[in-house]
Amino acid sequence: AQKITQTQPGMFVQEKEAVTLDCTYDTSDQSYGLFWYKQPSSGEMIFLIYQGSYDEQNATEGRYSLNFQKARKSANLVISASQLGDSAMYFCARPSGGSYIPTFGRGTSLIVHP
Amino acid sequence: ETGVTQSPTHLIKTRGQQVTLRCSSQSGHNTVSWYQQALGQGPQFIFQYYREEENGRGNFPPRFSGLQFPNYSSELNVNALELDDSALYLCASSLDGFNNEQFFGPGTRLTVL
Repeated sequence: AQKITQTQPGMFVQEKEAVTLDCTYDTSDQSYGLFWYKQPSSGEMIFLIYQGSYDEQNATEGRYSLNFQKARKSANLVISASQLGDSAMYFCARPSGGSYIPTFGRGTSLIVHP
Repeated sequence: ETGVTQSPTHLIKTRGQQVTLRCSSQSGHNTVSWYQQALGQGPQFIFQYYREEENGRGNFPPRFSGLQFPNYSSELNVNALELDDSALYLCASSLDGFNNEQFFGPGTRLTVL
């Protein structure tokens, strides 16, 4: 089964600075893209950004961008100009297998301080 | 456009009991997926329902079962509850299976004593 690794259990960043959250996967199947979700303390998972495996340019959505490096099997999330409201858990997820069932990482806790 | 809703918000049960969790999908969506998120972990896929049929299942025992209704709302049933079933249960709705963005509900926090 595919394994998704988020090596940073916790990250701290100062307000208005940029932060990079790491995500790697271990399968050689390059057919699938990758999702990033944000989970505030309220519990709801909020979709942030997705990049398909065959997209040539890295995806961007407002302050979020995805640094997808297929050769390294990594898809890091970059948050620019951090805001206090960005404090939350962040999960990356990637489908696997013919049925596209997503596998989630264990998450990274991001704390933005003033 | 109504978002994904789940009920109840919190639930406390004892070992051996049965529980039913409910999810209303977002308007226009025909697919509901259920996830279990233990404390400190990422969500784990339980199963998905697409147009009232099970459309994929994760590594969960048969005492985890589900249902999807004609209006595409869904139920997750767990029989013979165990302490390890304590978790946040998330449902997500989407259009036409896994290939599209999933919209998550706020979750149901289940505690098994």
